[in-house]
Amino acid sequence: SAVISQKPSRDICQRGTSLTIQCQVDSQVTMMFWYRQQPGQSLTLIATANQGSEATYESGFVIDKFPISRPNLTFSTLTVSNMSPEDSSIYLCSSGSTDTQYFGPGTRLTVL
Amino acid sequence: GENVEQHPSTLSVQEGDSAVIKCTYSDSASNYFPWYKQELGKRPQLIIDIRSNVGEKKDQRIAVTLNKTAKHFSLHITETQPEDSAVYFCAARTTDPRFGGTSYGKLTFGQGTILTVHP
Repeated sequence: SAVISQKPSRDICQRGTSLTIQCQVDSQVTMMFWYRQQPGQSLTLIATANQGSEATYESGFVIDKFPISRPNLTFSTLTVSNMSPEDSSIYLCSSGSTDTQYFGPGTRLTVL
Repeated sequence: GENVEQHPSTLSVQEGDSAVIKCTYSDSASNYFPWYKQELGKRPQLIIDIRSNVGEKKDQRIAVTLNKTAKHFSLHITETQPEDSAVYFCAARTTDPRFGGTSYGKLTFGQGTILTVHP
């Protein structure tokens, strides 16, 4: 199974600022995924990060708000831009084979 | 797109009893169905999965069944223990035309079931 790490594990930010979350996988993977999980809720896919091309965003999520980088096959970043309290959530990256998907430990973001 | 419905939202059982969580999906092209367990403050952990060419899969106390005709799949936990208490999520993966029709792991999750096992 893939081992996935994320940084930071948590942060408290002021509204209007931006936060970049890093995701590192211990092996090369084709796809990396970014999810949001609001308290007590299920997981919602934000976007799929492809190495060497632009990320593919799900309905309701846009690149200006959640820019993603994927510089190589083991690393990705998600930026939450111009944050508001509604962005307070847990952000998880995920990856694996074409079938099996594993999750990072998540980044707990609080926006004041 | 795919829609996954999960029931019940909460489930309370006594230790040693069985627990069953059910999910239905909408896209008949879905071909992979994982189940995740998420303990409080932790990441979702894959506990079992099944592919559309198989009707049932078992791993010790955990089993998953799939009915492709009815488009539903279920998680069965036997001899429940207090450490089984967690939130369980089902998911379904379908092919994604944005990636040339391949699946590439794009999962749609159910709403989750809070399982409580009382000692």
